[in-house]
Amino acid sequence: DQQVKQNSPSLSVQEGRISILNCDYTNSMFDYFLWYKKYPAEGPTFLISISSIKDKNEDGRFTVFLNKSAKHLSLHIVPSQPGDSAVYFCAASTSGTYKYIFGTGTRLKVLA
Amino acid sequence: DTGVSQDPRHKITKRGQNVTFRCDPISEHNRLYWYRQTLGQGPEFLTYFQNEAQLEKSRLLSDRFSAERPKGSFSTLEIQRTEQGDSAMYLCASSLAWGSRNEQYFGPGTRLTVT
Repeated sequence: DQQVKQNSPSLSVQEGRISILNCDYTNSMFDYFLWYKKYPAEGPTFLISISSIKDKNEDGRFTVFLNKSAKHLSLHIVPSQPGDSAVYFCAASTSGTYKYIFGTGTRLKVLA
Repeated sequence: DTGVSQDPRHKITKRGQNVTFRCDPISEHNRLYWYRQTLGQGPEFLTYFQNEAQLEKSRLLSDRFSAERPKGSFSTLEIQRTEQGDSAMYLCASSLAWGSRNEQYFGPGTRLTVT
C-alpha cells in the first residue's frame, strides 16, 4: 500500500518558468512532510520541510504548500533553473517515529 | 568533507555470499538510519539507531539482514546468503536527536548487485 504517491513520473519545464511537483498521501496521521532532490549517483538531498500546523513554507526559490483536507502537498520552484533537473521525492512521517515514508519520485527536467 | 559517507560505493556479489556495508554519519548526529531503494521506487525504511540502540526495524529487514552501531558512531549493515532480490541501492542517513523534527542527511549509497 503506497501511503505517499507522486503520480507524475516526469515533468519538463522551460528555464525561468514555475515548476510544480505534486504529492498525495493517504495516512491522516502524517504530520511532517519533506521534499528531497536526488541527482544520479548521489544520495537524496534535503530541500524543504513543512509541519502539519502550517500550510506554507518558503525557502528562497522553493515553496511547499500543504492542503491537509485534500491530503496533498506541492513543491513550487520559481524560477526554474537547469541545475534543478533531478528526481524529486516527497516524504512524510508521524509523531513518535523517525522513519520517513517516501513517494516514488518525479523526474524534473528544466530546459534551457 | 563532513557529510555522511558510505563504503563501498558499489558491490557485486554472487548469490549466497555475505556482504557488509559501512556508514559513517555526520559526527555530531546521534540518529542513524538505513534505507533501501530499488529502481523506480523511493527509499524504503529498514532500521534506525539512536546512539548504539536499534530502536525500530522494518519487516523488510528479514533475518538475513543485521545492522549494528556498536559505539554509537559508524554503523554496519550485513546481508547473509544474498539473493537476487537484494539487489538495490542501500542508503544511510543521519540526523540530530534534538527535538522531534530534524531532517535526515543521506550518504551517496552503496549499490549492491547480486548475480
